[in-house]
Amino acid sequence: DSGVTQTPKHLITATGQRVTLRCSPRSGDLSVYWYQQSLDQGLQFLIQYYNGEERAKGNILERFSAQQFPDLHSELNLSSLELGDSALYFCASSARDRLSGNTIYFGEGSWLTVV
Amino acid sequence: SQQGEEDPQALSIQEGENATMNCSYKTSINNLQWYRQNSGRGLVHLILIRSNEREKHSGRLRVTLDTSKKSSSLLITASRAADTASYFCATAQTQGGSEKLVFGKGTKLTVNP
Repeated sequence: DSGVTQTPKHLITATGQRVTLRCSPRSGDLSVYWYQQSLDQGLQFLIQYYNGEERAKGNILERFSAQQFPDLHSELNLSSLELGDSALYFCASSARDRLSGNTIYFGEGSWLTVV
Repeated sequence: SQQGEEDPQALSIQEGENATMNCSYKTSINNLQWYRQNSGRGLVHLILIRSNEREKHSGRLRVTLDTSKKSSSLLITASRAADTASYFCATAQTQGGSEKLVFGKGTKLTVNP
């Protein structure tokens, strides 16, 4: 158990809909990262927040947004869903904002299926 | 784009044999990490090697890093069926003032009992 909690574990929704994925980082971790894993694209970095502020941005679509709240939990909002958004979405956390020498811990992921 | 590329994409061995997976990357790195993922589960951090290190050990794992060749290898000795998983290398890269952990596509290891 990494200590990173993600909900829901599985989600099935229709195209055009909007969903919210939730993440609770490990106790004391200030950084939260979101990744998308699909068969064709592999693991893609989406976005990082550190202590409530956006720190780094990756291949995140404009239809997607995220935020980190004062209690450090984070939400990833996916809107206008398309079939191609079906993937496993991971949240990860780390103590610091810098990656160098800093281990990041992954949650078990949220399986999103868009039908 | 994927900076870390693992090789081979899939590897099948017998229990007790050693498994070697390779990772190549394209840009300069601060460190390189190896992760393991059981099917459909989260990623588990295995080992981190810094750019000024050449070799690191952790239990049955041995990681090497050759920054001149921009490559790393992960060796699992005396493999067990429980080692069956996908293994990913990840590089911490600085782009535009921010750091990102970029993963390769992984090597799927099957250890047959």
